[in-house]
Amino acid sequence: DTAVSQTPKYLVTQMGNDKSIKCEQNLGHDTMYWYKQDSKKFLKIMFSYNNKELIINETVPNRFSPKSPDKAHLNLHINSLELGDSAVYFCASNQQYSNSPLHFGNGTRLTVT
Amino acid sequence: KQEVTQIPAALSVPEGENLVLNCSFTDSAIYNLQWFRQDPGKGLTSLLLIQSSQREQTSGRLNASLDKSSGRSTLYIAASQPGDSATYLCAVKIQIQGAQKLVFGQGTRLTINP
Repeated sequence: DTAVSQTPKYLVTQMGNDKSIKCEQNLGHDTMYWYKQDSKKFLKIMFSYNNKELIINETVPNRFSPKSPDKAHLNLHINSLELGDSAVYFCASNQQYSNSPLHFGNGTRLTVT
Repeated sequence: KQEVTQIPAALSVPEGENLVLNCSFTDSAIYNLQWFRQDPGKGLTSLLLIQSSQREQTSGRLNASLDKSSGRSTLYIAASQPGDSATYLCAVKIQIQGAQKLVFGQGTRLTINP
């Protein structure tokens, strides 16, 4: 009955590879997010989708391409991975124009070697 | 540009003590402020949400206050327990270019010593 689930939990890959992270929420929320948490634990928003439409794109390199097939899913594809992409990526969801709290997945730890 | 700062970065106290975590933000135009808890290797769990029109929220041993005019929030934890050990993050919800998003502080790493 996990509310926001993302896979995989760990991802180790080499520079230059392409990888994807998947996220699904069963809370009926209309908005989903990708956040990046760096080695200093600083959490920063990357993308937000509302009802499958991109509404926030925070100056993220175009190697990162989110895709939302429906409002319950938001996947993140990363091309040509670089060392600096190593971080923990969190998916989250909420109801956009309400005071409902943000619900997070457990994160995907990406290590690029 | 909204910036959120949390002080201290780390805090270690004996079990049973009451403690206060601080959060400050630079722009008072916020929709709400949320406090989260993050355990190692886990995602964030929402603890308390204070709407911009509210002054405080309480849940069990936790009490969060909000002073929008001064750009400050505090999270008060009463009778701390070892299980409270975690990183606590605050975040403000703002509107930017027609969308709402959360801006996070860097967190306070709390250790409660038995």
